[in-house]
Amino acid sequence: DTAVSQTPKYLVTQMGNDKSIKCEQNLGHDTMYWYKQDSKKFLKIMFSYNNKELIINETVPNRFSPKSPDKAHLNLHINSLELGDSAVYFCASSQGLAWNTQYFGPGTRLTVL
Amino acid sequence: RKEVEQDPGPFNVPEGATVAFNCTYSNSASQSFFWYRQDCRKEPKLLMSVYSSGNEDGRFTAQLNRASQYISLLIRDSKLSDSATYLCVVNYPGNQFYFGTGTSLTVIP
Repeated sequence: DTAVSQTPKYLVTQMGNDKSIKCEQNLGHDTMYWYKQDSKKFLKIMFSYNNKELIINETVPNRFSPKSPDKAHLNLHINSLELGDSAVYFCASSQGLAWNTQYFGPGTRLTVL
Repeated sequence: RKEVEQDPGPFNVPEGATVAFNCTYSNSASQSFFWYRQDCRKEPKLLMSVYSSGNEDGRFTAQLNRASQYISLLIRDSKLSDSATYLCVVNYPGNQFYFGTGTSLTVIP
């Protein structure tokens, strides 16, 4: 009965490849997020979707493209991976917007070689 | 000034000690404040929200000082299991919110 799940948990890939990370939440929330946590542990919001609509789109390279097929899913596709993309990517969800508690997935540790 | 700032620490305290962290924010219109806890190689989890009048949950007390624009987290009678990174989160107007860089706490036996 995992609340927010992400796959894969670990992803090791070569520079230049394209990869996707999937996120699903079974909490019935209407808002989902993607975060990047770099080696310095700084957690930075990348995107947020509310009812499948993009509401937060921080300054990230356009190689990153989120896709929300429905309210329970928010996937992250990354094109032409670069070394600097290595990080832990967290998905999260909340009911309503950011002033409510966010529930995080376990994270996807991406390593670009 | 950064949107949210925290002292990264590390804070190394003995079991049973009381420790406090502060988190400053730059937008006086901020309305919502939270403390999250993140264990090593795990996801952040909500520890507690911060209410205007201050609030307590067991050994944890959160306070908001609007005049000086900071929130605080006080942990009494520290346990080994309190060792983690504590992240503050501040909501800004316009659906913006920011996480602090986290304060690392290690409780030593």
